[in-house]
Amino acid sequence: QQQVKQSPQSLIVQKGGISIINCAYENTAFDYFPWYQQFPGKGPALLIAIRPDVSEKKEGRFTISFNKSAKQFSLHIMDSQPGDSATYFCAASKGYSTLTFGKGTMLLVSP
Amino acid sequence: ETGVTQSPTHLIKTRGQQVTLRCSSQSGHNTVSWYQQALGQGPQFIFQYYREEENGRGNFPPRFSGLQFPNYSSELNVNALELDDSALYLCASSLVSGTGKGYTFGSGTRLTVV
Repeated sequence: QQQVKQSPQSLIVQKGGISIINCAYENTAFDYFPWYQQFPGKGPALLIAIRPDVSEKKEGRFTISFNKSAKQFSLHIMDSQPGDSATYFCAASKGYSTLTFGKGTMLLVSP
Repeated sequence: ETGVTQSPTHLIKTRGQQVTLRCSSQSGHNTVSWYQQALGQGPQFIFQYYREEENGRGNFPPRFSGLQFPNYSSELNVNALELDDSALYLCASSLVSGTGKGYTFGSGTRLTVV
């Protein structure tokens, strides 16, 4: 049973455009929703995270939007740059449990 | 402050063999978690170690086992390797046990089983 569903599987965006990646979760007990960025040959690195008591969190060009009633959250990358080309994973955890990851989105930002 | 270091970076093993992967946690972190990342998939939780004890386990068979040492470094052992064990194995260290918050991941060990 996949508890965190991520879409799209891949995404191509022009430089300067907005990249949007979506995730949906099933377990309403989840209370922590991070996004990770992974470059080839590297481990995932925490990008930004949100808790369900807020609807939006922004850090620089990266924004998480959270819809608790729909059990969905999304990552928006504003002014996308070629250096943002990577695989992005959403994840979720509840209480003291460990992370459940989505399957990932491969983002390519074309120059 | 050092990050998470994993060794080796790449490894090729034959089906049925045993393998040991190693992880040095980030300075100040006392908890180590291991994840398996198959090609094109998200990381899957294997188990976590805190104070040298297993502190949570995902849906992996007993032939996946681990150790944590007093210096908080850790090993992942896999016995009777199967072709499906081919994956990137990620180690993540953190300060708070049992939580997915505050993880620092290593670059992983790419295991190929032939």
